[in-house]
Amino acid sequence: QSALTQPASVSGSPGQSITISCTGTSSDVGGYNYVSWYQQHPGKAPKLMIYEVSNRPSGVPDRFSGSKSGNTASLTISGLQAEDEAHYYCSSYTSSTTLVFGGGTKLTVL
Amino acid sequence: EVQLVESGGGLVQPGGSLKLSCAASGFTFSGSAMHWVRQASGKGLEWVGRIRSKAHSYATAYAASVKGRFTISRDDSKNTAYLQMNSLKTEDTAVYYCTTSSSGSGFDYWGQGTLVTVSS
Repeated sequence: QSALTQPASVSGSPGQSITISCTGTSSDVGGYNYVSWYQQHPGKAPKLMIYEVSNRPSGVPDRFSGSKSGNTASLTISGLQAEDEAHYYCSSYTSSTTLVFGGGTKLTVL
Repeated sequence: EVQLVESGGGLVQPGGSLKLSCAASGFTFSGSAMHWVRQASGKGLEWVGRIRSKAHSYATAYAASVKGRFTISRDDSKNTAYLQMNSLKTEDTAVYYCTTSSSGSGFDYWGQGTLVTVSS
């Protein structure tokens, strides 16, 4: 199972919006609505930001939103804030009943 | 409060074995699938494997990179999950996290991680 494809880095200024893509195949992202997104700050455990493509856990700001089209899922962060600077990872359930993560995207807030 | 506490990490030689533990509290452990995820230094997250609950026959699944070498088990009486790692390779060096989901989708609870170093 190959890792899902994410851009290595994205950047944006405070207040702007950014979108991180996560591309898989019909055997993972495209085949199931079990895509999750995680935020990870250096030295910390990952934090769940989005589950089942577009659902936000309690406590996650509504500036974070998720969507999916075909084999590509997306995480959008609006109204960027300095504390959003982190690595972001997508994950998806697969047809092999396993899980696969994306390679990760480093978000820089300029 | 949900807590996941990993232990058992350390330095091991290539070809050696190590068993990690994940002690859980604050939720219904017996009804939850438990997963292991690892992260090499400076690298991304890699799903290692999972074990489902008794209701799902304790079914396990593994990433191709560890299949046949790693085994996940659990002891519901001790609220503990385990990761037995055999035939370790240098590329298995990573921080190993145990994690679970309160809803069955998305890992909302994570341990602090335990470092495994495979080196001669």
